[in-house]
Amino acid sequence: GENVEQHPSTLSVQEGDSAVIKCTYSDSASNYFPWYKQELGKRPQLIIDIRSNVGEKKDQRIAVTLNKTAKHFSLHITETQPEDSAVYFCVSRLTFGEGTQLTVNP
Amino acid sequence: DAGVIQSPRHEVTEMGQEVTLRCKPISGHNSLFWYRQTMMRGLELLIYFNNNVPIDDSGMPEDRFSAKMPNASFSTLKIQPSEPRDSAVYFCASSFERGNQPQHFGDGTRLSIL
Repeated sequence: GENVEQHPSTLSVQEGDSAVIKCTYSDSASNYFPWYKQELGKRPQLIIDIRSNVGEKKDQRIAVTLNKTAKHFSLHITETQPEDSAVYFCVSRLTFGEGTQLTVNP
Repeated sequence: DAGVIQSPRHEVTEMGQEVTLRCKPISGHNSLFWYRQTMMRGLELLIYFNNNVPIDDSGMPEDRFSAKMPNASFSTLKIQPSEPRDSAVYFCASSFERGNQPQHFGDGTRLSIL
């Protein structure tokens, strides 16, 4: 089955700084890579996704990059705000990474 | 669009009892997923259905767990008999196509087995 590794497990930044979360996957046939945000006590919600025919996708302050050769993809959040504080999950072939607890300090 | 609807939101029961969790996917979605979330194991895929047919149940922990999807608008996850280690948040999600489209999650069922 698919193996997804996500780093770091916790990330603390100051408001306005950037945050980067990285994931690696094992199945070279994987071609869809979503990212979900889960606030405490809430359901996971999709924030951005990327398909294997593109290398980068951006949506306002959020971007995702994909390197299929190296089998890794990353989430980039710029100009972080306190409301970005949550757990972020990467996914490959329905396998979730272990999550990154992002804390944005005011 | 009402989103994915799960019931109950909370369930507290004693070990040995049967537990039934219910899910109504988003209308038009043809894939349905059941996940379990715990602090120790994170978000685990238990089983998923495509067009009401179970495709992969390799994540189901053991025979005490069973899932059904009798029609396109309803699915159940049953645990019988329940054990304290089954305590977790169980999420149902649906999408247009297995694995290659965004999943929409329900609010989850928080299950506590005493």
